[in-house]
Amino acid sequence: KNEVEQSPQNLTAQEGEFITINCSYSVGISALHWLQQHPGGGIVSLFMLSSGKKKHGRLIATINIQEKHSSLHITASHPRDSAVYICAVRSEYGGSQGNLIFGKGTKLSVKP
Amino acid sequence: ETGVTQSPTHLIKTRGQQVTLRCSSQSGHNTVSWYQQALGQGPQFIFQYYREEENGRGNFPPRFSGLQFPNYSSELNVNALELDDSALYLCASRRGAEAFFGQGTRLTVV
Repeated sequence: KNEVEQSPQNLTAQEGEFITINCSYSVGISALHWLQQHPGGGIVSLFMLSSGKKKHGRLIATINIQEKHSSLHITASHPRDSAVYICAVRSEYGGSQGNLIFGKGTKLSVKP
Repeated sequence: ETGVTQSPTHLIKTRGQQVTLRCSSQSGHNTVSWYQQALGQGPQFIFQYYREEENGRGNFPPRFSGLQFPNYSSELNVNALELDDSALYLCASRRGAEAFFGQGTRLTVV
């Protein structure tokens, strides 16, 4: 079992729909990242969370530390949101163990 | 714009050859990590450097090695390339808990 599990693996939505991507993890963490990866490969950091909720424009990320679960929401989705969304956690232990452990990603396709 | 630049963007090598991938990060980003991302998978941790010393390594053989330089650049070297080494290689630098990713180098081994 992977330490970071995302669901769904693939998601197709119509433009304007509300989208939720889920992430569950099994290790103690110091932070959780939501990342966006476009077909070219480069990764952009969307959010870094250690508690509560953050909002940037149409994107909202929440985390429940007790339940070891995080969600990424996209409101009023648009075709340009089409990308792979990756959840990654940073172990709560510092030093060499403080690296990112990635989920496999959720491939989102938003149709016009 | 993350301030992390990787080169080259694409590379084709033959099995058995050696390859060097490069990463340039921002001033003050003392920690750099390298990840391998196979097609359809999440990135896997290769190793991490902090102030020019390796201080963490994932489950990769010794033919994967690295260097970090005082000017905040770093290298990933892979010897004796195998077909399974074909992947996207990502470099990420850290400032505190924040991570900044490069665009990646797509390596194809034929």
